[in-house]
Amino acid sequence: EVQILETGGGLVKPGGSLRLSCATSGFNFNDYFMNWVRQAPGKGLEWVAQIRNKNYNYATYYAESLEGRVTISRDDSKSSVYLQVSSLRAEDTAIYYCTREGITLFDYWGQGVMVTVSS
Amino acid sequence: DIQMTQSPSFLSASVGDRVTINCKASQNINRYLNWYQQKLGEAPKLLIYNANSLQTGIPSRFSGSGSGTDFTLTISSLQPEDVATYFCLQHNSWRTFGGGTKLELK
Repeated sequence: EVQILETGGGLVKPGGSLRLSCATSGFNFNDYFMNWVRQAPGKGLEWVAQIRNKNYNYATYYAESLEGRVTISRDDSKSSVYLQVSSLRAEDTAIYYCTREGITLFDYWGQGVMVTVSS
Repeated sequence: DIQMTQSPSFLSASVGDRVTINCKASQNINRYLNWYQQKLGEAPKLLIYNANSLQTGIPSRFSGSGSGTDFTLTISSLQPEDVATYFCLQHNSWRTFGGGTKLELK
């Protein structure tokens, strides 16, 4: 069974940083691209970042709105992916989802982790 | 950037009704469109991929159609467990989500 679990959320002051983790199991992690998607309260979904697998040299891509403040990384030995977000702003308050990208795109998602940016 | 306009934003329907939700792309996205269901407090679930392919395990009352710029998700006979928010995702050029449709029971 595919399982995806995000951790690391919480309350952060504006200007602060946060590292989100996403642990996966139940599939061959090495074969897949992984993504982060976020959803601000009462808003729609926004793609944040993608990291490809070893076959694609772990290439990374970011949403323009966040580029320069986010870094996505992965550890294939731990079947995990990470998202580092810096210079946090109130508008970064959202549920952050980790999602697997197969040939059908985002086919499995985690439950999400809440990040609140507030003083 | 490709924009996805989803309609309606809210929908109220009765059990057994045929329900349709639309997504319009700002440019041609071929058939690179997925539909997702998100129940309150749960992770999104893939329903339809590549416009009209039903994801494994999804009931056949869900179907998708369209190509180019106009797409439709249809629930042929609404069930109580279908109460959720539905959203589309284009993946022709990176990824852009529709704004979502909240479906409630009348």
